[in-house]
Amino acid sequence: TQLLEQSPQFLSIQEGENLTVYCNSSSVFSSLQWYRQEPGEGPVLLVTVVTGGEVKKLKRLTFQFGDARKDSSLHITAAQPGDTGLYLCAGGSGGSNYKLTFGKGTLLTVNP
Amino acid sequence: DAGITQSPRHKVTETGTPVTLRCHQTENHRYMYWYRQDPGHGLRLIHYSYGVKDTDKGEVSDGYSVSRSKTEDFLLTLESATSSQTSVYFCAIRKDSLNEQYFGPGTRLTVT
Repeated sequence: TQLLEQSPQFLSIQEGENLTVYCNSSSVFSSLQWYRQEPGEGPVLLVTVVTGGEVKKLKRLTFQFGDARKDSSLHITAAQPGDTGLYLCAGGSGGSNYKLTFGKGTLLTVNP
Repeated sequence: DAGITQSPRHKVTETGTPVTLRCHQTENHRYMYWYRQDPGHGLRLIHYSYGVKDTDKGEVSDGYSVSRSKTEDFLLTLESATSSQTSVYFCAIRKDSLNEQYFGPGTRLTVT
């Protein structure tokens, strides 16, 4: 069974601060996605990374896929209250690549 | 917008009653998924479908059945609801080979 561990589980920061969320596994994934979920809504896809060492930027968000494709990080620069939400990572494997394994999420609160 | 709707959006039912949740997509995607989301557990796969009448179990399939008689509709049935099935249920579709999944708005089910 593949597992994805996210840390921290909860994060409360002030507006303008930087933060990093981690997603780690002992398994290799062929692709990894990051989602953001707001209360009462479904998760929304932010990014997909597929190559070891890949870095993608989405405005103030930077996503990195580990060289061995077992881990990933999400860095937010100058966080804003609108970044508040549950961040989920999800990994897909080549052998059963129609299913995703989800981490339990990081609940981020950005205070004004 | 991935064109996914779920119905009902909220439901309260009594233990022992049957319940059917509906997921409808407008874009003709082959793969569809049912997840449940619970505090402390994250998103867990219940069942998924890879085509009309083609379905398979996920990690938490006990007590649930699914049917897909048309490409656009994926139904999740709780034959005899129990309090442990109180949860938020999400439907998702897979759009491409990168394993990117797109989620519906969710159904909040309460079993009393």
